[in-house]
Amino acid sequence: DTEVTQTPKHLVMGMTNKKSLKCEQHMGHRAMYWYKQKAKKPPELMFVYSYEKLSINESVPSRFSPECPNSSLLNLHLHALQPEDSALYLCASSHKVDRDSPLHFGNGTRLTVT
Amino acid sequence: KNEVEQSPQNLTAQEGEFITINCSYSVGISALHWLQQHPGGGIVSLFMLSSGKKKHGRLIATINIQEKHSSLHITASHPRDSAVYICAVLSGSARQLTFGSGTQLTVLP
Repeated sequence: DTEVTQTPKHLVMGMTNKKSLKCEQHMGHRAMYWYKQKAKKPPELMFVYSYEKLSINESVPSRFSPECPNSSLLNLHLHALQPEDSALYLCASSHKVDRDSPLHFGNGTRLTVT
Repeated sequence: KNEVEQSPQNLTAQEGEFITINCSYSVGISALHWLQQHPGGGIVSLFMLSSGKKKHGRLIATINIQEKHSSLHITASHPRDSAVYICAVLSGSARQLTFGSGTQLTVLP
C-alpha cells in the first residue's frame, strides 16, 4: 500500500470534458509533484509544489492546471485534452524539496482521452 | 546520449538467480534513486543513496560517485520481483529527477 493516494484509478474523458485528478498524502510532506508517464517510457516531470506554491512548471500546456489547496492535497485539473495526453499520471511527495528527502509515489491515474 | 543509461533493457532470469542491473550517469548528482514499477503502474522507491551501499532484505544498491555508476542487486530472485526497475538521479537545485529508461525484469518460476 502506498501512503500517497490518487483518485480516480482510471479515467476516460472526451476532448471537451473537464475533469480533475486528485492526490492526497498525510505524511506532513511539503513538496508534491505531478509526473506524466507514457507506455514503456520513464516518468516526465510536469509540476512541483513546495509549501503549497508552484515552484516548477515544465512547460506544460495550459490545458493542464495544477492546484494545491493545502499541504495534503494536490489536484490536476484537465480541460480540452487531446488523445495524445492519454497516459499514466503519477503524483509524488517528499518531506521537502531537497536532496535528503526520498520520494513517495502514488499508484497513478490511468487517463484515456477519446 | 541520455544523461542516465541503464542496462540491460530487458532481463529474464530463473527463480533463485542473482541479478544485477546497472546505471551510469553523466551529470553531477546529489542523490540517486532506484525505483520499482509493477504493471499496475504504481512506483515504489527502493533506495535513495548518495554514497556507498544500502541493503534492504534481498536488495542491495551500490553507488560509485567517482565512476558515476550504480548497481542494483537482487539475491535469490523470485517471480514477484518481476517489474520494471528504474534508476533516477537528482541533480541541480530544483530537485529535478532524470530517469533512466528502465529495466524490465522477468523472473521465471
